[in-house]
Amino acid sequence: QLVLTQSPSASASLGASVKLTCTLSSEHSNYAIAWHQQRPGKGPRYLMKFNSDGSHSKGDGIPDRFSGSNSGAERYLTISSLQSEDEADYYCQTWGTGIVVFGGGTKLTVL
Amino acid sequence: QVQLQESGPGLVKPSETLSLTCTVSGGSISSYYWTWIRQSPGKGLEWIGYIYYSGSTDYNPSLKSRVTISVDTSKNQFSLKLNSVTAADTAVYYCARGGGMTWYYFDYWGQGTLVTVSS
Repeated sequence: QLVLTQSPSASASLGASVKLTCTLSSEHSNYAIAWHQQRPGKGPRYLMKFNSDGSHSKGDGIPDRFSGSNSGAERYLTISSLQSEDEADYYCQTWGTGIVVFGGGTKLTVL
Repeated sequence: QVQLQESGPGLVKPSETLSLTCTVSGGSISSYYWTWIRQSPGKGLEWIGYIYYSGSTDYNPSLKSRVTISVDTSKNQFSLKLNSVTAADTAVYYCARGGGMTWYYFDYWGQGTLVTVSS
């Protein structure tokens, strides 16, 4: 079964960096994912699509502070130079034959 | 800049049909896939299904028997119908555009509309 696992919460200080993790089910370790940001009370915002070969495509206006990486079945979203506006829920998302799956999301608190 | 806006009743009675419309502005509905996604506290984000501008569809197997998505290219709109609703269908419903002209990730989202199922 295609599953994405995310830690429920993360925190980091203003100006610091944070690395959020999304783990694919082991038999799907080569799958691409997408990352989305959801600020409080808002609809999600597309950040990037990240392929297992490291290639990616970002959404319109997404700053360079947001970057993706991977290792095995893990996909990472790194946010550098954290700003208060980065406080949000972050969701990873993937797809299979006739299905789209979302992770449970990570709530990022900027201290 | 593409914008999507959901509209429809915020309250639906159990066993009735939930109907929502998504209006696309700032771009044409043609040549893209268009998707409905919902978010409830109990189940997180759940993909409902998509429609291609030409009318082909695919739905989440868990909802397939109750869902219909349609498109009206003349109005730059697409719509969702979910029948026989229960309290479990209470959620914020989002419409979104398929990224990279695919169906499987989403590069523009609406702001969402809350639908409550209650008598």
